[in-house]
Amino acid sequence: DARVTQTPRHKVTEMGQEVTMRCQPILGHNTVFWYRQTMMQGLELLAYFRNRAPLDDSGMPKDRFSAEMPDATLATLKIQPSEPRDSAVYFCASGSRPGSGSYNEQFFGPGTRLTVL
Amino acid sequence: GESVGLHLPTLSVQEGDNSIINCAYSNSASDYFIWYKQESGKGPQFIIDIRSNMDKRQGQRVTVLLNKTVKHLSLQIAATQPGDSAVYFCAERDQGAQKLVFGQGTRLTINP
Repeated sequence: DARVTQTPRHKVTEMGQEVTMRCQPILGHNTVFWYRQTMMQGLELLAYFRNRAPLDDSGMPKDRFSAEMPDATLATLKIQPSEPRDSAVYFCASGSRPGSGSYNEQFFGPGTRLTVL
Repeated sequence: GESVGLHLPTLSVQEGDNSIINCAYSNSASDYFIWYKQESGKGPQFIIDIRSNMDKRQGQRVTVLLNKTVKHLSLQIAATQPGDSAVYFCAERDQGAQKLVFGQGTRLTINP
């Protein structure tokens, strides 16, 4: 049963600390997305990659957030330094390109619930 | 800019009844739409999608209707069950782009 996995599932940290969230996309998917979900803003796209190359990170605060794909099986989202306003659930999703079967379906992971005190 | 919104933030229906969740979008260049279901503590889960060259698409107990004239999308769930209780999001994709823009979500509650 192929699925997106994310670690950790929960993270509590203090303001100023570095936070790293990890995602393993579904094998064979070439597009990876990072979203943030809060009650106030809903689901916001932070960044996405295709074939490990960043395509759009305009939704991500550049001064403290960074997203990378060291290899095809791992995507990371890092916050340094973290702030209380970063508290949210961060979702990773993976998908395949249009025309490759699943038109544009994005498969979401279970999310990382981040709390910054 | 692009925006996807919902007419009703919450919806309660009796078990067994049909439900309709509505969504308005503003980007006339969007060519693909998806409905997602998110249960508490989980990530969004794909329900059904529709391309802009279609008006209607049916799945198992779900139907998506697309009215491009008024930029309106709806999700119909037939014979609702307790397991249908969740937040439902519509999402649109700009033609040629890969990323989706999500609406704010509607919370559907099924009353026994």
